[in-house]
Amino acid sequence: ETVLTQSPGTLSLSPGERVTLSCRASQSVSSSYFAWYQQKPGQAPRLLIYGASSRATGIPDRFSGSGSGADFTLTISRLEPEDFAVYYCQQYDNSPITFGQGTRLEIK
Amino acid sequence: QLQLQESGPGLVKPSETLSLTCTVSGGSISSSSYYWGWIRQPPGKGLEWIGHINYSGTTFYNPSLKSRGIISVDTSKNQFSLKLNSVTAADTAVYYCARRWFYDSGSWATFDYWGHGTLVTVSS
Repeated sequence: ETVLTQSPGTLSLSPGERVTLSCRASQSVSSSYFAWYQQKPGQAPRLLIYGASSRATGIPDRFSGSGSGADFTLTISRLEPEDFAVYYCQQYDNSPITFGQGTRLEIK
Repeated sequence: QLQLQESGPGLVKPSETLSLTCTVSGGSISSSSYYWGWIRQPPGKGLEWIGHINYSGTTFYNPSLKSRGIISVDTSKNQFSLKLNSVTAADTAVYYCARRWFYDSGSWATFDYWGHGTLVTVSS
């Protein structure tokens, strides 16, 4: 099983700041099969990025993804109040599909 | 707009079978372009993929379920279902249904549309 480790566990930031979230895989993952999700309390996860760098429909361009091999990142260029949430990385290259444990983004 | 809605009992006794249904509206479950999946999230924890199915009944499961899960599809009702037997407290979670699509190349993409989720508690 491909284990995804996200860092840091929690980030405290202010609106307007730039943030980069990291996700490291225990084995190589094709960048074509890597995604990021956002989840707010009481809501389902929302797909942000697929294929490591492609934004899903309706996702603002302040969200960007990059990476290859075992290291992937999600960058939010300028935090908006609605961006404070939990972010999960996911790989769908190797079976079983796995998710990271999440990074919580909280308002400072 | 595609919508998915989970339904089923919110409380299941230990050792019994958890049964959930996902109703798809705004699109056809019979499309060959998609698979339909289940993902769960224990309270306060992360996400776990359970499995997925296509319109013809081809299924893929997470081995962590140890063969306790069965996913089925009913195209006449535009629904798919999950049955998880021999449940324990560890199966307490919010269960989500979701759609998985294919890239233009024909290879797998990931889950794009999700239901709101339904909490299932395993307790006597």
